[in-house]
Amino acid sequence: DADVTQTPRNRITKTGKRIMLECSQTKGHDRMYWYRQDPGLGLRLIYYSFDVKDINKGEISDGYSVSRQAQAKFSLSLESAIPNQTALYFCATKTGDPRDEQFFGPGTRLTVL
Amino acid sequence: AQSVAQPEDQVNVAEGNPLTVKCTYSVSGNPYLFWYVQYPNRGLQFLLKYITGDNLVKGSYGFEAEFNKSQTSFHLKKPSALVSDSALYFCAVGDAGKSTFGDGTTLTVKP
Repeated sequence: DADVTQTPRNRITKTGKRIMLECSQTKGHDRMYWYRQDPGLGLRLIYYSFDVKDINKGEISDGYSVSRQAQAKFSLSLESAIPNQTALYFCATKTGDPRDEQFFGPGTRLTVL
Repeated sequence: AQSVAQPEDQVNVAEGNPLTVKCTYSVSGNPYLFWYVQYPNRGLQFLLKYITGDNLVKGSYGFEAEFNKSQTSFHLKKPSALVSDSALYFCAVGDAGKSTFGDGTTLTVKP
């Protein structure tokens, strides 16, 4: 089984709808991250969490919110989706050691019409 | 603040030839540097990292990277490219909190 899973893998929705993307991990890591990927722009950090009670905004948090329901679960919500939120979204996990790499989920492809 | 630059959007090489994907970085303090690979419709996978010690780091799938402190570079290399190496490659610099990623370089290996 995959260490980091994301649901759904693909989603098409309409402008104004509320969308939730879910991430679960079995790595036992405290730190979890949400990124979006757009062609030519690399990975941009939306939100990150160091533990259940520690949520931090990333560089592009406007229009998004998150919930850390448990150590293993970190959800990303789009309260009112807009077309420029069409992107590939990745969840990742990591230990607190800066020498350790991140582990990524398979991604969610979101299309907002 | 830390930053990473990948100066090439695209690198094309012929199968069997050596390949280099370039990365430069800017950090205060000790650099922790990473390379990740993304195959189509997949998440990023860790390839290798530099923490300390030898400047030449070996990783998965025959890849290696050369750390150069004076040039603040961490270029990814492979002596003989395979068509299956075609993918999107990301360089990243990490700290305890979060990582900063480059914009990615698309590597295309032609038969």
